[in-house]
Amino acid sequence: DVKVTQSSRYLVKRTGEKVFLECVQDMDHENMFWYRQDPGLGLRLIYFSYDVKMKEKGDIPEGYSVSREKKERFSLILESASTNQTSMYLCASIWTGGLLDEQFFGPGTRLTVL
Amino acid sequence: AQKITQTQPGMFVQEKEAVTLDCTYDTSDPSYGLFWYKQPSSGEMIFLIYQGSYDQQNATEGRYSLNFQKARKSANLVISASQLGDSAMYFCAMRERSNYQLIWGAGTKLIIKP
Repeated sequence: DVKVTQSSRYLVKRTGEKVFLECVQDMDHENMFWYRQDPGLGLRLIYFSYDVKMKEKGDIPEGYSVSREKKERFSLILESASTNQTSMYLCASIWTGGLLDEQFFGPGTRLTVL
Repeated sequence: AQKITQTQPGMFVQEKEAVTLDCTYDTSDPSYGLFWYKQPSSGEMIFLIYQGSYDQQNATEGRYSLNFQKARKSANLVISASQLGDSAMYFCAMRERSNYQLIWGAGTKLIIKP
């Protein structure tokens, strides 16, 4: 079974802190994604990566950066956390991005920025 | 313009009844896939079912079926014989051949009443 893990289920940080959210998948998937989920807005794509050291901006990249130094790991970085980044963050991976490939999700990280 | 629309923010259904969750989509790409995911209160995203645009038959997976009406651009999820454990958020998503990212609807919160 594909497993996608995220470093924390719950995280509380202060405004201005640098925050790292880690995501690891164990099935050699090429493509990895970071979403944020807010009530009434569904999932919005922050960044995705289709290969090591490759990244593409999603719909809402402002205030975030990412790092993919190894195939299995995709990190989301909040350089200076702000209260409007309080949200649920979901990591996902997919093998090839074929039309009917399902995305596999991690358990999510609920981040609160005070 | 919204590419995926879920018009029901929330629904209450009596246990053992069937329930239909609406999803309409908008695309000009002839090749696309439609997905349904379930998100319980614990937060993890669980893949339920998918339908390809060229599939002739409606997809089914156990108690889940997808009522695919291509001309109307709708892909409603039908859950037969609902159970208390079906209470969750349900998201509809689409992938186009021209863009392998998933596009998400805002979700429907389903509550099953005993």
